[in-house]
Amino acid sequence: DGGITQSPKYLFRKEGQNVTLSCEQNLNHDAMYWYRQDPGQGLRLIYYSQIVNDFQKGDIAEGYSVSREKKESFPLTVTSAQKNPTAFYLCASSTGTGGSPLHFGNGTRLTVT
Amino acid sequence: QQQVKQSPQSLIVQKGGISIINCAYENTAFDYFPWYQQFPGKGPALLIAIRPDVSEKKEGRFTISFNKSAKQFSLHIMDSQPGDSATYFCAAWGGGENKLTFGTGTQLKVEL
Repeated sequence: DGGITQSPKYLFRKEGQNVTLSCEQNLNHDAMYWYRQDPGQGLRLIYYSQIVNDFQKGDIAEGYSVSREKKESFPLTVTSAQKNPTAFYLCASSTGTGGSPLHFGNGTRLTVT
Repeated sequence: QQQVKQSPQSLIVQKGGISIINCAYENTAFDYFPWYQQFPGKGPALLIAIRPDVSEKKEGRFTISFNKSAKQFSLHIMDSQPGDSATYFCAAWGGGENKLTFGTGTQLKVEL
């Protein structure tokens, strides 16, 4: 059953710690994306990658880092430099061609205290 | 920063009524306009999409109306059902970049 797997579903961290969110896809998609969702602000793009070993900053990249060593995987690290990390994080993938639909995972809710 | 403006923020409709959500964009280079539906605790899922060379697209009870000159598009849900209660996002693709820009979302509640 093809899709996107995000783990864990809930994550709790202490302030000042880096944390890595996992995203794996078995759709053979070239492009992968990370979005952050906050109430009333919609989905904001953090980073995206159109091909292995390449990625671009989105609209709110500060305090985040990513890697794309494998086509199937696009982990997101929330660093201690991110001022307000508590949020719902969504990973998505697509074929990467213009206008191709995004397939989303079910998200990771990160709480930093 | 490219923007897609979405309204209303929340909407309550009676069962059987019509739900209407509106979006406006600025960048005329956008060339694909999808709508996503999201249930609580889940990721968004593609509902319906349109390209700017078409003024209307209908899939079942869901219709997108597109006004290229006004740079506006809207989602109409006919015969709204309680199961349609969800958050809806409009989005726009392109504008010189290979990414999707989302609106801020509309929380729809369909009451019995």
